[in-house]
Amino acid sequence: DAKTTQPNSMESNEEEPVHLPCNHSTISGTDYIHWYRQLPSQGPEYVIHGLTSNVNNRMASLAIAEDRKSSTLILHRATLRDAAVYYCILTKSSGDKLTFGTGTRLAVRP
Amino acid sequence: DGGITQSPKYLFRKEGQNVTLSCEQNLNHDAMYWYRQDPGQGLRLIYYSQIVNDFQKGDIAEGYSVSREKKESFPLTVTSAQKNPTAFYLCASSDLTSSRETQYFGPGTRLLVL
Repeated sequence: DAKTTQPNSMESNEEEPVHLPCNHSTISGTDYIHWYRQLPSQGPEYVIHGLTSNVNNRMASLAIAEDRKSSTLILHRATLRDAAVYYCILTKSSGDKLTFGTGTRLAVRP
Repeated sequence: DGGITQSPKYLFRKEGQNVTLSCEQNLNHDAMYWYRQDPGQGLRLIYYSQIVNDFQKGDIAEGYSVSREKKESFPLTVTSAQKNPTAFYLCASSDLTSSRETQYFGPGTRLLVL
């Protein structure tokens, strides 16, 4: 299975943009890139996903490198409620199991 | 409101005792999953089911059992064979017909061994 690599932790100031990187150099052509986040003592929640093109939704943007070997989750204006562990995950199809690494713990400073 | 419910929020187990964690969803999703999370770690898949009366082992199924008698329910039993059951247990579901391929998670059950 293709593996993802993320920094263990990052910090941001409130109201500023945050760029969370993910490397997936062994990604295959059919792998989707998913991002989930987990707030303290809660279950993970879906953030965004994409295949080849950049994606935007109300929570975030996903920028995918042209060679698809890396991607970046962009939070346009970090809030204190965005403090969480962010997971970058590759899946092959609908219903595919999710393989969680340790993710990136994002701290947001007021 | 549609969603996934897990109960109880906290569960205590005595040595040698089996305990069952409940997971119910009213999202009409075909697939359901159980994950285990240890402190500071990511989630690991225990069991998953894509259809009623069928389920598959995940990466760490030893010491656990499941059933899927109804589409909306996927209970997990932690048996006495699971030697280190203290963890945060998360249930999830997904719609296999959706292109979004999103898993929706419940609030979790924290299991502690006495």
